[in-house]
Amino acid sequence: DAGVTQSPTHLIKTRGQQVTLRCSPISGHKSVSWYQQVLGQGPQFIFQYYEKEERGRGNFPDRFSARQFPNYSSELNVNALLLGDSALYLCASSSTGGHYEQFFGPGTRLTVL
Amino acid sequence: GQNIDQPTEMTATEGAIVQINCTYQTSGFNGLFWYQQHAGEAPTFLSYNVLDGLEEKGRFSSFLSRSKGYSYLLLKELQMKDSASYLCAVRDHDQAGTALIFGKGTTLSVSS
Repeated sequence: DAGVTQSPTHLIKTRGQQVTLRCSPISGHKSVSWYQQVLGQGPQFIFQYYEKEERGRGNFPDRFSARQFPNYSSELNVNALLLGDSALYLCASSSTGGHYEQFFGPGTRLTVL
Repeated sequence: GQNIDQPTEMTATEGAIVQINCTYQTSGFNGLFWYQQHAGEAPTFLSYNVLDGLEEKGRFSSFLSRSKGYSYLLLKELQMKDSASYLCAVRDHDQAGTALIFGKGTTLSVSS
């Protein structure tokens, strides 16, 4: 079975630009969460979506937005990029039963120059 | 406020036992997770505790005390491949759904 997939793997942008990151959850998983991981730190929660609705939002500015599609895939958009947005962006999916453990994708490494 | 503390670095030798501690202060609590993350890779799920006590899973065990806001991950018979970052995460009941609050991670180095 395929795990969580993310695209692109790596991305280089300049300050002020906009970026869209994509995520496909594990088949059957309806919940998708996005995290930002800066080097040497743990992942920080950005958004959670379930059944196409936003169910949670972390402490991130409005430049960050996301959406979930009918097939449960998701996009994370970041506008007006800053140098500090350089990080590994992780997508995680979870089922709606059991421990609700989150399964992470390989991440998108974003570098802002 | 939300705060999860764990040691930054630990070292151990092959075959040994190591315990990684985690203390948390969160506005809600709905389970504690441990993840392993190798450099450049995604976190992978190791264990889950929601009730007090010890959960054992092969060479890995995790303990939780909710009254003390404390957990530990115990790794036995250490192998070189166990060198990784270990992340403690709490599912905060105040956060909708299944969002996790992570600590900064503990980098474990296993030497021969």
